[in-house]
Amino acid sequence: EVLLQQSGAELVRPGSSVKISCKASGYTFTDYYMHWVKQRPEQGLVWIGRINPANGNTVYAEKFKSKATLTADKSSNTAYMQLSSLTSEDTATYFCTRSGRDSYAHKNWGQGVMVTVSS
Amino acid sequence: DIVMTQGVLPNPVPSGESASITCRSSKSLVYKDGKTYLNWFLQRPGQSPQLLTYWMSTRASGVSDRFSGSGSGTYFTLKISRVRAEDAGVYYCQQVREYPLTFGSGTKLEIK
Repeated sequence: EVLLQQSGAELVRPGSSVKISCKASGYTFTDYYMHWVKQRPEQGLVWIGRINPANGNTVYAEKFKSKATLTADKSSNTAYMQLSSLTSEDTATYFCTRSGRDSYAHKNWGQGVMVTVSS
Repeated sequence: DIVMTQGVLPNPVPSGESASITCRSSKSLVYKDGKTYLNWFLQRPGQSPQLLTYWMSTRASGVSDRFSGSGSGTYFTLKISRVRAEDAGVYYCQQVREYPLTFGSGTKLEIK
């Protein structure tokens, strides 16, 4: 069974950074892309970017290029997203989701991590 | 960026009736391999999104055949036959034709 287990909720101060994780199991980690998606409270889904765990290649949406950094650790089958210079606009739930490299079908999703930015 | 525009449903939809959700893209989602790179998701309250269809009309594993995707290069429909209470939630279309990947704003389905 494919599982994407994300780290726990975070309460962080404005201006700080946070790193959240997504541990994959049940499949070959390097055979699929890992994407990250943002969802602000009561709002829609926004694609942040994706990483190819096989070689570390990343693609970001323009608005997240200076906000998010995606990495992947093949030894632990874990993907990470670091968010920097946090503001209230970054308060959201963040999902990891894997997709095939050819289909881009997001068949599996993590449970989401709620990040709250507050002083 | 490709803009995805979703329609609104006349909620609530009576249980057992059909519902059609529309989605329009600002650019054709047909790739040179002939496939149409359009995904549909359902997000139930408090849950992660669930993939329903990909390549416009291919149902994901385990998804009921009551869900069917169709369309052209820029206009798409997700039809839900014989709606049930469990179908309630927000439906999103997503284009995966090119980066950045983009979602529609969502269509809420309520069941009566």
